[in-house]
Amino acid sequence: SQKIEQNSEALNIQEGKTATLTCNYTNYSPAYLQWYRQDPGRGPVFLLLIRENEKEKRKERLKVTFDTTLKQSLFHITASQPADSATYLCALASSYNQGGKLIFGQGTELSVKP
Amino acid sequence: DSGVTQTPKHLITATGQRVTLRCSPRSGDLSVYWYQQSLDQGLQFLIQYYNGEERAKGNILERFSAQQFPDLHSELNLSSLELGDSALYFCASSPGTSGSLETQYFGPGTRLLVL
Repeated sequence: SQKIEQNSEALNIQEGKTATLTCNYTNYSPAYLQWYRQDPGRGPVFLLLIRENEKEKRKERLKVTFDTTLKQSLFHITASQPADSATYLCALASSYNQGGKLIFGQGTELSVKP
Repeated sequence: DSGVTQTPKHLITATGQRVTLRCSPRSGDLSVYWYQQSLDQGLQFLIQYYNGEERAKGNILERFSAQQFPDLHSELNLSSLELGDSALYFCASSPGTSGSLETQYFGPGTRLLVL
């Protein structure tokens, strides 16, 4: 069955370091992948979208890579700040005509200590 | 603030009851999506409507139904509620049909507790 796995354990890092979050998937051929940020009790907020034919995407301190051979996406936050502390969700979408259906991972909780 | 509004914020009800959750999309967005988030299942896609028509369906239970009205607001109806239906229910919106290619803007959610 289709499965999406993110770092199951919370990630604790020091301010200023680079945080790297992993999203692995099996039995799925996504054409697009999105990363969202979710704060406790709030709705997810879109961060970045990357297509299957794109290897890397950047936005300010954020970088996403997408390796369809390894079936993996990596999400990096450089020069991390305590305000980056949140849960980060990856979401996959098929290239087929499935409208807006997104399959979300369980999320990785990131904690940045000052 | 995403521009998506959801009411009510919190809902407490009993098993067997029926509730209606309401969502107003961002101005100009034609697609509305419903998601359920529980601790054990994570964020699960339920259903998408585009301009009043059902566009995509996820693992939505038969006890659940949704619709999108001409003014584009949407309602999610949950009936014969069970304890396991307790969760956060999110609505999201996007401009067009291909939500997977677009940013989805999520509302603040409705927290449902079934006792």
